Amino acid sequence: RKEVEQDPGPFNVPEGATVAFNCTYSNSASQSFFWYRQDCRKEPKLLMSVYSSGNEDGRFTAQLNRASQYISLLIRDSKLSDSATYLCVVNHSAGNKLTFGGGTRVLVKP
Amino acid sequence: DAGVTQSPTHLIKTRGQQVTLRCSPKSGHDTVSWYQQALGQGPQFIFQYYEEEERQRGNFPDRFSGHQFPNYSSELNVNALLLGDSALYLCASSPRTGYEQYFGPGTRLTVT
Repeated sequence: RKEVEQDPGPFNVPEGATVAFNCTYSNSASQSFFWYRQDCRKEPKLLMSVYSSGNEDGRFTAQLNRASQYISLLIRDSKLSDSATYLCVVNHSAGNKLTFGGGTRVLVKP
Repeated sequence: DAGVTQSPTHLIKTRGQQVTLRCSPKSGHDTVSWYQQALGQGPQFIFQYYEEEERQRGNFPDRFSGHQFPNYSSELNVNALLLGDSALYLCASSPRTGYEQYFGPGTRLTVT
């Protein structure tokens, strides 16, 4: 079983719609959680950290469920520019080593 | 404020050769991590450096080695290249006390 698992997609989303997807992690000792965005042939860019109480950044909302060991990302009012691969990232308590999921591809269409 | 920089951008090598990739961290960051990203997959952790020492290592063979310099910049060396080493190599920097890592644009290595 992979340490961090994501649905690879693609999620085809009409412009203006809402899309949500999850990721699950296997290490219950994980302490920090992030969503990164990666455009084709570019480096991952930090989208947002995920806090225990959930957090929102504009149109993006992240949730953490420690009991079930999953993280979610919701995108409201999708824009064409939101088309990208979204990487779920976990930082274990053993150190500052990031473990990435395989990514969820989102395609926003007019 | 310069972000993370990496060189070269692209590199083509043949099997059995050796390669050195370079990374300069973001200003104010002292910790550098290296990742390998194969096509269609998420990045995989190779190792992490701070205070000029390797502090953590992922599941990569000894052919992968690194170095950190006093100015916090870092090198990744790969010996005896295999076709399977073809990938995007990403460098990420962070402050020691922070968990958020910021990535450079990567070096795309092709082994033929």
